Amino acid sequence: GENVEQHPSTLSVQEGDSAVIKCTYSDSASNYFPWYKQELGKRPQLIIDIRSNVGEKKDQRIAVTLNKTAKHFSLHITETQPEDSAVYFCAASNGIKAAGNKLTFGGGTRVLVKP
Amino acid sequence: DSGVTQTPKHLITATGQRVTLRCSPRSGDLSVYWYQQSLDQGLQFLIHYYNGEERAKGNILERFSAQQFPDLHSELNLSSLELGDSALYFCASKRGQMNTEAFFGQGTRLTVV
Repeated sequence: GENVEQHPSTLSVQEGDSAVIKCTYSDSASNYFPWYKQELGKRPQLIIDIRSNVGEKKDQRIAVTLNKTAKHFSLHITETQPEDSAVYFCAASNGIKAAGNKLTFGGGTRVLVKP
Repeated sequence: DSGVTQTPKHLITATGQRVTLRCSPRSGDLSVYWYQQSLDQGLQFLIHYYNGEERAKGNILERFSAQQFPDLHSELNLSSLELGDSALYFCASKRGQMNTEAFFGQGTRLTVV
């Protein structure tokens, strides 16, 4: 089955700096890659997603890049703010209905933005 | 508010007991996914139901079972509980089975003592 590795597990950045989180996946059939943000004690919420027919997607201070050949994708947060502090999860899905299109998550990255 | 409702929010029970966690998906969503999140761990996929039928199983123990009812709500049953079952259990719902956003509930925090 799919396996998603996420690095780093913790990331501390100064407010205003950029943060980058990287994920690799194993199943070459995966074609959907969402990123979820989970604040302390709260539910995971989708912040951005990318499909395999796109190499990059941007939404304000957040961008995601995908390299299908290398089977890795990354989340970039620019001009970090204290409210960006949270745990971020990458995920992958292979789009196979029979398999339920389940999301396989990475282990998470705890991001701390220091003021 | 995601529109996905999970009850109860917190549950404390003893080893060996059985509990039922409930999930009501967003209105119109046919897919329900269950995930387990242990302390400082990622989200482990347990099981997926679509319109009442089981569609995929992940790392779900034999002591755990689930079902989705005709009104589309789902229940996750955990039996013969062990200390290691203590975790946050999330359900997520989607409109169908396509690659679209999965909306998570607030989770049920289960503590086994």
